[in-house]
Amino acid sequence: DAGVTQSPTHLIKTRGQQVTLRCSPKSGHDTVSWYQQALGQGPQFIFQYYEEEERQRGNFPDRFSGHQFPNYSSELNVNALLLGDSALYLCASSLAEGPNTGELFFGEGSRLTVL
Amino acid sequence: QKEVEQNSGPLSVPEGAIASLNCTYSDRGSQSFFWYRQYSGKSPELIMFIYSNGDKEDGRFTAQLNKASQYVSLLIRDSQPSDSATYLCAVKTTRGGKLIFGQGTELSVKP
Repeated sequence: DAGVTQSPTHLIKTRGQQVTLRCSPKSGHDTVSWYQQALGQGPQFIFQYYEEEERQRGNFPDRFSGHQFPNYSSELNVNALLLGDSALYLCASSLAEGPNTGELFFGEGSRLTVL
Repeated sequence: QKEVEQNSGPLSVPEGAIASLNCTYSDRGSQSFFWYRQYSGKSPELIMFIYSNGDKEDGRFTAQLNKASQYVSLLIRDSQPSDSATYLCAVKTTRGGKLIFGQGTELSVKP
């Protein structure tokens, strides 16, 4: 049973560039959430996708956008990168319905460095 | 006021002792509470969840919830060096059900 997979694991970009991060949820899961985790901080909620639509959004600017595909996989796009966007980006999958909603399964993350 | 607050630590305990990790939250209507463990350089993994007031035990771990005080805690009995990690408290909010994390408490268990 494959868990949550993310790609790429590490990447380096320069200010102003754009980046796309990818995530495949755990088998059977239909909801994908994205988090940004700066060094020494807890994960910050970016947004959540369900049924190919953004269902919830945190306090992140419009430079952060996403997409969910019919197979439940998801992408996170960040435009006009800033130095402050350097962080670990975590994808988490879960079930939208059932007794265990809210239990997140995390991928290993994509470490983004902006120079 | 932050939505979820934890003691930032680091918290250092000797091997075999009880480690106590605390968390408060601001959304009084929150119903679901989670503790995640994150080893350095790794992603968070779920340890326990609790929905009802009182205690919930799972092996060496006990989660405690007091909704009136908006307080949730995690006790780790017989702490082991392998328990050394950052512990993240997470609360499922009433506003859309997103999971909000605290800043984490770093725990160090000394042999």
